[in-house]
Amino acid sequence: AQSVAQPEDQVNVAEGNPLTVKCTYSVSGNPYLFWYVQYPNRGLQFLLKYITGDNLVKGSYGFEAEFNKSQTSFHLKKPSALVSDSALYFCAVSSPSNDYKLSFGAGTTVTVRA
Amino acid sequence: KAGVTQTPRYLIKTRGQQVTLSCSPISGHRSVSWYQQTPGQGLQFLFEYFSETQRNKGNFPGRFSGRQFSNSRSEMNVSTLELGDSALYLCASSYNDRNWFFGPGTRLTVL
Repeated sequence: AQSVAQPEDQVNVAEGNPLTVKCTYSVSGNPYLFWYVQYPNRGLQFLLKYITGDNLVKGSYGFEAEFNKSQTSFHLKKPSALVSDSALYFCAVSSPSNDYKLSFGAGTTVTVRA
Repeated sequence: KAGVTQTPRYLIKTRGQQVTLSCSPISGHRSVSWYQQTPGQGLQFLFEYFSETQRNKGNFPGRFSGRQFSNSRSEMNVSTLELGDSALYLCASSYNDRNWFFGPGTRLTVL
């Protein structure tokens, strides 16, 4: 079985400050890791993924994430948050051993105050 | 390329009715999967189709069913609707099973 944990329901930061959204995972075999963002009444928008290669992955809108195999983590980061980054963020994992089926975390609501 | 499209975007039904939701994948994508999103349960996998065949199914009752057509378009059907079926239903498509692109969802409200 595979699973994702996002330990924080909410993250609040001031605009211009660094933003971190935490994610840990459990999976058999090699993990494929994803971050998606969801704005109100919208679908999921792809931010970035890790499948293989460099542990630091750069994605859309200035976001990046670091794959840490020993800690089974894939935290999302942005050096300087914007008010427009306020949204619901989902971490997801899949694996070849599970037919690439995506399992999502519960989501973290990010609020960036001006 | 156009993104994943889902119709209708909003739907209101009453208990006991049935509903059909439609999903058109990105051109060239042959895999389609469906998810249910609710505040209490989060995002839950419903099923996945590839070349008109269901490859994976989540833990949902038999009232939930789906199919995929030869042009990769997919439909999901929920029969005998219950209040708990109220949710945002998301469709995603992929060309390689590794990158999934999501549609805007269909918001179903069951009264």
